[in-house]
Order: sequence, then C-alpha cells, then structure tokens
Amino acid sequence: ETGVTQTPRHLVMGMTNKKSLKCEQHLGHNAMYWYKQSAKKPLELMFVYSLEERVENNSVPSRFSPECPNSSHLFLHLHTLQPEDSALYLCASSQEQGLDGYTFGSGTRLTVV
Amino acid sequence: AQSVAQPEDQVNVAEGNPLTVKCTYSVSGNPYLFWYVQYPNRGLQFLLKYITGDNLVKGSYGFEAEFNKSQTSFHLKKPSALVSDSALYFCAVSRTGGFKTIFGAGTRLFVKA
Repeated sequence: ETGVTQTPRHLVMGMTNKKSLKCEQHLGHNAMYWYKQSAKKPLELMFVYSLEERVENNSVPSRFSPECPNSSHLFLHLHTLQPEDSALYLCASSQEQGLDGYTFGSGTRLTVV
Repeated sequence: AQSVAQPEDQVNVAEGNPLTVKCTYSVSGNPYLFWYVQYPNRGLQFLLKYITGDNLVKGSYGFEAEFNKSQTSFHLKKPSALVSDSALYFCAVSRTGGFKTIFGAGTRLFVKA
C-alpha cells in the first residue's frame, strides 16, 4: 500500500443509482485530488482540495460531487451517471502544491451500466 | 496553458537493451517535470522529478530522465531494460503557483525477454 487507500476497488452501478467513492491518506499531506483515467487519454484532473477547501474544479459535470470533510479523507459522490463515465478513478495526495510529486491510490474501477 | 505530449503509444525493447520513452511539454515559466509508472491494477507511482539544477535526473529502479530546455523535452531513459519494467509510463508537468499537474496520455513499455 502506498499510504493512499481507495474503496471500493471495483464498482458497477446503474445509471439511476447513487454511490460514493472513498479515499483516505495517512501521510500527513494537506492536498488531495481526484483524477479520471480513461484508456489512451491523458489523466483528467477533476477536483483539488487544499486544507479541506476546493481549489480546482475542472468543469466536471454536476453528477460528480466531491466532499472533503478533513485533510485525511476525500469522497466522490456519484448520481445519475452515464456509460461514458466508466473509467478508473484515481485519488492522490500531496504536500502543498505537489511539487515533490503525488502519492496515488490504486483506484476504483467504475462501470456504469 | 500547460500541456504534455507522449508521442508513442507503445515502446518495444529487448531485455538488456537501452530504452527511451519520449515526452515533450508546454508550460509558461519554469517547469516542474515528473515521470510516473503504473503497473496493472495499481495507481501511479512516482519515479523522478526535475525542478532545477542538473539536466540529468536520476530516479527509482535505475531510471533517469534528461531535461532539454531548448527542445522542451524530458525523455525517460534506462541503460538496460528489464522485463519487469513493462508498464505504463506517464510524463507530467506542473508549475509554481497552482495545483494543476497535467499528465500525458501514457506510453506502454513492453520489454521482451
């Protein structure tokens, strides 16, 4: 384990379901991130939280809703998703702006049916 | 705007031979450059970074990368490839003053025994 834990590892959900992805870090980092990874495409930055405040929101559809209750936990709430939202969702954490690099979790493989 | 290009979807190399994975970038100001590796069913792992100083940066697992400012490139290299190096490699760029680290689409390295 890298110090960033994501659950669940796999998730299959219908388009009308509501589910949440969870990320937890025990590294003492103060910034956390959600990225979307689709095959043969660059990683897409979705949200950034620094000291529990959202500092980046990259035009992500409102069916994705992040939550950062404290500096160790990050959630991504999902509702009424589309099949094209199927992807690997990666959580990462860093100290400050991440100029020393990020630590990633193993991801949640999401399939929308 | 920041951007990263990895021109090769896949690189094939024989075990024991040198390998190069290419990356070019575009960013205003001085770049912070990174390489990450992703093994199957895992998140990205930090390999190395360039911030300032020597153009040749050494990282984990015997990898190194060469920063070339005039060509805006940051190619990943290893003198002698191992089968276990087979994975997906991502180049990334960031800059001071923001939380956006931009990743390339990744290059799959296949090392044949």
